[in-house]
Amino acid sequence: TQLLEQSPQFLSIQEGENLTVYCNSSSVFSSLQWYRQEPGEGPVLLVTVVTGGEVKKLKRLTFQFGDARKDSSLHITAAQPGDTGLYLCAGAEGGTYKYIFGTGTRLKVLA
Amino acid sequence: NAGVTQTPKFQVLKTGQSMTLQCAQDMNHEYMSWYRQDPGMGLRLIHYSVGAGITDQGEVPNGYNVSRSTTEDFPLRLLSAAPSQTSVYFCASTGPGRGEQYFGPGTRLTVT
Repeated sequence: TQLLEQSPQFLSIQEGENLTVYCNSSSVFSSLQWYRQEPGEGPVLLVTVVTGGEVKKLKRLTFQFGDARKDSSLHITAAQPGDTGLYLCAGAEGGTYKYIFGTGTRLKVLA
Repeated sequence: NAGVTQTPKFQVLKTGQSMTLQCAQDMNHEYMSWYRQDPGMGLRLIHYSVGAGITDQGEVPNGYNVSRSTTEDFPLRLLSAAPSQTSVYFCASTGPGRGEQYFGPGTRLTVT
């Protein structure tokens, strides 16, 4: 069974600080996705990365897929209270749409 | 577009009762999935379907049944509810190509 480990599990920072969330596995994924989930709602897709070494930017969020496609990171620059939420990574098993989810990173940004 | 809809939003069952969680999508996606989300465990795949008439098991299928008679609908049935099935259930529809998943709002189920 493929596993995805996310770190840290919890993160509480002040507005304006930078942070990085990690998603690691010993398995290779054909693609990796990042989601943000707010209380009482379903996850919302932020980005999909498919190529080893790929870097994608979404405003203040930067996503990177590891060269070996086993890990990924999410970097937030100058965090804002609106970034508060649960961040989830999900890896697709070998060419399928079957996704394994990480356990999540709960981020709180204080004003 | 409504995207992915789920009903009910909340449900309380007694041990041994059965029920069906409804899921529908209007994006004409072939691939749909059911997940459960428990504290500290992320989302775990229960069952998935690659198209009408085709379903398969995910990571935690025991105690759940699915069927897919149309592209739009993918109901999840609990045959005999158990307290261990207390969870939040999410249905997702996956677009072609890069496999972007669109989630419904979830059903919060409590089994007493």
